[in-house]
Amino acid sequence: GDSVTQMEGPVTLSEEAFLTINCTYTATGYPSLFWYVQYPGEGLQLLLKATKADDKGSNKGFEATYRKETTSFHLEKGSVQVSDSAVYFCALRSAGGTSYGKLTFGQGTILTVHP
Amino acid sequence: NAGVTQTPKFQVLKTGQSMTLQCAQDMNHEYMSWYRQDPGMGLRLIHYSVGAGITDQGEVPNGYNVSRSTTEDFPLRLLSAAPSQTSVYFCASSPTGDRVREQFFGPGTRLTVL
Repeated sequence: GDSVTQMEGPVTLSEEAFLTINCTYTATGYPSLFWYVQYPGEGLQLLLKATKADDKGSNKGFEATYRKETTSFHLEKGSVQVSDSAVYFCALRSAGGTSYGKLTFGQGTILTVHP
Repeated sequence: NAGVTQTPKFQVLKTGQSMTLQCAQDMNHEYMSWYRQDPGMGLRLIHYSVGAGITDQGEVPNGYNVSRSTTEDFPLRLLSAAPSQTSVYFCASSPTGDRVREQFFGPGTRLTVL
């Protein structure tokens, strides 16, 4: 079945540091890939997405590229801020068959940014 | 637009009690789903629905029931609560089950079963 693996956390950075959170996936067919963010006490919000190979999703200074050859969708940001402290989830969505529209999530990575 | 709303925000139950978690969306979305979030495990799909009158099981359906009588509402019922059901529950919706569509999440219900 489908699966998503994220790098182990938690990740602690100083403000303005470079961020990478690794994400790799296993899926049949051609899934879409997503990064969701969860701020403390809130639900999940879509951060960015990519729906086909070589697509780059970007939002709020974050970006990730859909790499089919390495089955990866790593999240990056050049300069993090304290307000980026949150839990980040990588997810894929496939369609058809028994996995109709299901989102499969990684385990989440806790990011803490210090001033 | 309120988006996806969930009630209650917090709930404490005793083992064996039953309850219903409410979920509603005002975006006329066909696809709705319930997930549970447990530490270190991401979110796991409990049940989903592709339209009124149509529901199906997800990855962890045991102990939960759902129904979908309207497009807007998708309640999740715990028949006889167990401590293993202590979790944060999220409802989500999207226009269709198509893979390119993002899902919109509610704020969650934190459930504790004693």
